[in-house]
Amino acid sequence: QQPVQSPQAVILREGEDAVINCSSSKALYSVHWYRQKHGEAPVFLMILLKGGEQKGHEKISASFNEKKQQSSLYLTASQLSYSGTYFCGTSGGAGSYQLTFGKGTKLSVIP
Amino acid sequence: GAGVSQSPSNKVTEKGKDVELRCDPISGHTALYWYRQSLGQGLEFLIYFQGNSAPDKSGLPSDRFSAERTGGSVSTLTIQRTQQEDSAVYLCASSFPLVRGHGYTFGSGTRLTVV
Repeated sequence: QQPVQSPQAVILREGEDAVINCSSSKALYSVHWYRQKHGEAPVFLMILLKGGEQKGHEKISASFNEKKQQSSLYLTASQLSYSGTYFCGTSGGAGSYQLTFGKGTKLSVIP
Repeated sequence: GAGVSQSPSNKVTEKGKDVELRCDPISGHTALYWYRQSLGQGLEFLIYFQGNSAPDKSGLPSDRFSAERTGGSVSTLTIQRTQQEDSAVYLCASSFPLVRGHGYTFGSGTRLTVV
């Protein structure tokens, strides 16, 4: 089942912070985060595995709450380059090899 | 190669025609995936290949869709008797097995337009 992302869209001014949430109705083994700029391929940001948390970038980090079956992506001191659509992708078990993606959150950073 | 390569980048076809989309994954990546992205929508899983195992075809929307992966490398997604609802961007991705904590590397996609 497709994870649910919120918000669907957000507009930030440079330097502001944002949180993007990803919720699943199923138990999760891993959560991936990707960013897609208009007309480009999605780019891998980070992965969070059950029992651990991984920070992929200095100002972009994420958490994974296994009990709540949720993950949140934190963007601090946003830059214009952060603009794009953010997707979470989830897998349900160690033997699951493909990800189910949410519909995405469109982030726009303005000067 | 340095990245995942997909061809063609754009394809316009008439309704009812067959199309073939090609994906050349990163060398050494054992897993290969096809996803479809419609305008404003998320990424819809189509099919997954892992090594020499039987592919997971659970996401293919109809029997008009098929895919193969030759020699554990290049993959071809074939859509027969195309319909207008098949219009979308078809993305290919490759990775090491997800169980090792690796992410996908996506290709730039093939934009398919059925007229």
